[in-house]
Amino acid sequence: AQSVTQLDSQVPVFEEAPVELRCNYSSSVSVYLFWYVQYPNQGLQLLLKYLSGSTLVKGINGFEAEFNKSQTSFHLRKPSVHISDTAEYFCAVSDRIGNEKLTFGTGTRLTIIP
Amino acid sequence: NAGVTQTPKFQVLKTGQSMTLQCAQDMNHEYMSWYRQDPGMGLRLIHYSVGAGITDQGEVPNGYNVSRSTTEDFPLRLLSAAPSQTSVYFCASTRWSGGTGELFFGEGSRLTVL
Repeated sequence: AQSVTQLDSQVPVFEEAPVELRCNYSSSVSVYLFWYVQYPNQGLQLLLKYLSGSTLVKGINGFEAEFNKSQTSFHLRKPSVHISDTAEYFCAVSDRIGNEKLTFGTGTRLTIIP
Repeated sequence: NAGVTQTPKFQVLKTGQSMTLQCAQDMNHEYMSWYRQDPGMGLRLIHYSVGAGITDQGEVPNGYNVSRSTTEDFPLRLLSAAPSQTSVYFCASTRWSGGTGELFFGEGSRLTVL
């Protein structure tokens, strides 16, 4: 069985400051990892994904994430946040390519302080 | 592009009432799914379908029925609503690219059961 833990339920950050949203996973097999973002009153949309290859993955809106197998982590980072980054961020895991069923974390609400 | 369209956006039911949440997608995706989102619990998979005529249960299927008569539509039925089904429901369809899927979500349906 696979699971995802997002360690912070809320993260307040000043505008233009860097941010890191933490995600740890557990899985008995290979993992494929995703970050989704949910803006207020909208559905989720894909930020980035890790399938294989380079452990540093770049996504949309200046976000990136690093896959760390030894620490079973997939933390999301952005060097300088903007007001428009205010949203809820979800980490998700799949145990195989072609597995349509994702397991989602509980989400981290990112609040940008002007 | 309409993408994934859910109706209604808001609904209030009394315990024991039945209703159907509608979901339609215009991207010709074979795979569709329903999730519920509850505070502190992230998204949990209710039912999914890998194509017309084929459905299967997810993590929390009890109290819900689905059918898939066409590629475009994937309605979710609550046969006898309970307060525990108060939640935000998201429908998603999956696009396959590079061997894995990207979920496209609707804007959600907020259901309150009194």
